[in-house]
Amino acid sequence: GIQVEQSPPDLILQEGANSTLRCNFSDSVNNLQWFHQNPWGQLINLFYIPSGTKQNGRLSATTVATERYSLLYISSSQTTDSGVYFCAVGLMRFGAGTRLTVKP
Amino acid sequence: DGGITQSPKYLFRKEGQNVTLSCEQNLNHDAMYWYRQDPGQGLRLIYYSQIVNDFQKGDIAEGYSVSREKKESFPLTVTSAQKNPTAFYLCASSIELRGELFFGEGSRLTVL
Repeated sequence: GIQVEQSPPDLILQEGANSTLRCNFSDSVNNLQWFHQNPWGQLINLFYIPSGTKQNGRLSATTVATERYSLLYISSSQTTDSGVYFCAVGLMRFGAGTRLTVKP
Repeated sequence: DGGITQSPKYLFRKEGQNVTLSCEQNLNHDAMYWYRQDPGQGLRLIYYSQIVNDFQKGDIAEGYSVSREKKESFPLTVTSAQKNPTAFYLCASSIELRGELFFGEGSRLTVL
């Protein structure tokens, strides 16, 4: 089955810093989604982005399907951005996630 | 409000007992999914259903069973054959298979 790799596994930032999270996948897909899991376990939809670039406030995402990767950008990070970020592709196979900690 | 409702949120059971987790959606989605998440891990697909009266095994279906008798409902039974059932279970739906996923709030099962 399709393999999904996320990097880095852990990221610690000071409030206000910018960050880039990466998702690589092993096979061509026509769907890709980014999620944020909050400390209570709830999965929050960030982007459904099979290709191209989307922006929503301080967050943006770019998927280059031909090169099998997607990037999630977080600008001017806030403590509420802390949590685990997942990407999912294909029959919604998930990567292991990036755990982000934003310190005040 | 439209959404996905999972119940119960927390469940404790003794080893050897079957447990059924409920998942109901009022989004009029055709596809529904069950995932399992262990601490510090990603989500793994247990079962999915593309349409009513049809469902398929995911990556870790052993020890689980599902039914899809109604479009709105996709219950998951964790059977006594599941060797390590303690986990966080998440239900999701999408308009069509492989479409944008929407998740419920999850059910935490602890087997004592």
